[in-house]
Amino acid sequence: KAGVTQTPRYLIKTRGQQVTLSCSPISGHRSVSWYQQTPGQGLQFLFEYFSETQRNKGNFPGRFSGRQFSNSRSEMNVSTLELGDSALYLCASSFFDNRQGREQYFGPGTRLTVT
Amino acid sequence: AQSVTQLGSHVSVSEGALVLLRCNYSSSVPPYLFWYVQYPNQGLQLLLKYTTGATLVKGINGFEAEFKKSETSFHLTKPSAHMSDAAEYFCAVSGGGNQFYFGTGTSLTVIP
Repeated sequence: KAGVTQTPRYLIKTRGQQVTLSCSPISGHRSVSWYQQTPGQGLQFLFEYFSETQRNKGNFPGRFSGRQFSNSRSEMNVSTLELGDSALYLCASSFFDNRQGREQYFGPGTRLTVT
Repeated sequence: AQSVTQLGSHVSVSEGALVLLRCNYSSSVPPYLFWYVQYPNQGLQLLLKYTTGATLVKGINGFEAEFKKSETSFHLTKPSAHMSDAAEYFCAVSGGGNQFYFGTGTSLTVIP
């Protein structure tokens, strides 16, 4: 099976702009989670989507939003970019198995730089 | 609620020496526990996981971890470090709900 793919891999934006990142999960996975990774804060959970519905949300401002499509692909959007939004954004997909616990499979990430 | 504490943000070992990365968790329900590894400019890769059953879990690349409920620990070990083990390691816990909680990570340096 193909792994989790994220596009684009690198992105440079200017303060005040908006950005959309894309994530294609592993085939058959219906859950997609997004994380922000920075040197100072580590991995921080943004939100999770399952069957096109947001199931969990982390503690991020409303400028961060996401959605999931019927084919499980997901996008996240950041509006009014700030310098502090510079980070590696990771997407993870999972297929929940009650017996085995839930493994998350990560994509390579999108490196966003805000100038 | 769940949380993870990784003791030591940086660990250095000599090539061939034992690797020990520490992880303690807090969980109000039986936890699922995971170790992930991240190489530079890459995403996270699952090393191993504990769900139920045997408390000693073996993973990829010679790593293993032991779930100790009494100590709320899930430390990662490898008998002999290799240069290719140099990376960032993350411990994570999940349980009850659907959310993962990650530790702050431990950067492993292997000295030749």
